[in-house]
Amino acid sequence: DGGITQSPKYLFRKEGQNVTLSCEQNLNHDAMYWYRQDPGQGLRLIYYSQIVNDFQKGDIAEGYSVSREKKESFPLTVTSAQKNPTAFYLCASSNSGRRVFFGPGTRLTVL
Amino acid sequence: AQSVTQLGSHVSVSEGALVLLRCNYSSSVPPYLFWYVQYPNQGLQLLLKYTTGATLVKGINGFEAEFKKSETSFHLTKPSAHMSDAAEYFCAVSADNTNAGKSTFGDGTTLTVKP
Repeated sequence: DGGITQSPKYLFRKEGQNVTLSCEQNLNHDAMYWYRQDPGQGLRLIYYSQIVNDFQKGDIAEGYSVSREKKESFPLTVTSAQKNPTAFYLCASSNSGRRVFFGPGTRLTVL
Repeated sequence: AQSVTQLGSHVSVSEGALVLLRCNYSSSVPPYLFWYVQYPNQGLQLLLKYTTGATLVKGINGFEAEFKKSETSFHLTKPSAHMSDAAEYFCAVSADNTNAGKSTFGDGTTLTVKP
């Protein structure tokens, strides 16, 4: 089955630690995205990539980093510089930019 | 720049009743509009989208939405609610039809369906 996988589903981190969230897609999509979702709020764009080896900052990129070395993979690192990292993180990909497909999400909790 | 306002963070209806979820947008260019549904601890699923052409858009699961430029609205409706419709719904607007991932999302409306 084609789709987007995110791992892990739940992730716990101590303050001051970096953590990397995985996102893999087998849809052969060029564009991939990372969003953050907080309770009672919509999605906010962290980073996006429209092609391998290139990515752009979204609205809330501070404290996050990404890489896009392969078309299928777009990992997100939450660094210790992110002051309030507890949230639900969603990865997505897009075919020609006209429709977005979402992964199941990773819930990150900082202890 | 664009923005989205979803009126009512919580909507409750009885099973079989009309569902109406309200969305108003602001956009400096012709908008592309989307409605998504999210079940607990899952990703978003596209219900329907408006790009150009017919202003009444039909989506999955019996939902539809009408683009009203004069009212800057894109309300989501379903004639008869089903228990399985209980979820969170997000309206989104994009200024770029080739980069739907850069949409601006509303804060969401939680739909409760009472038996």
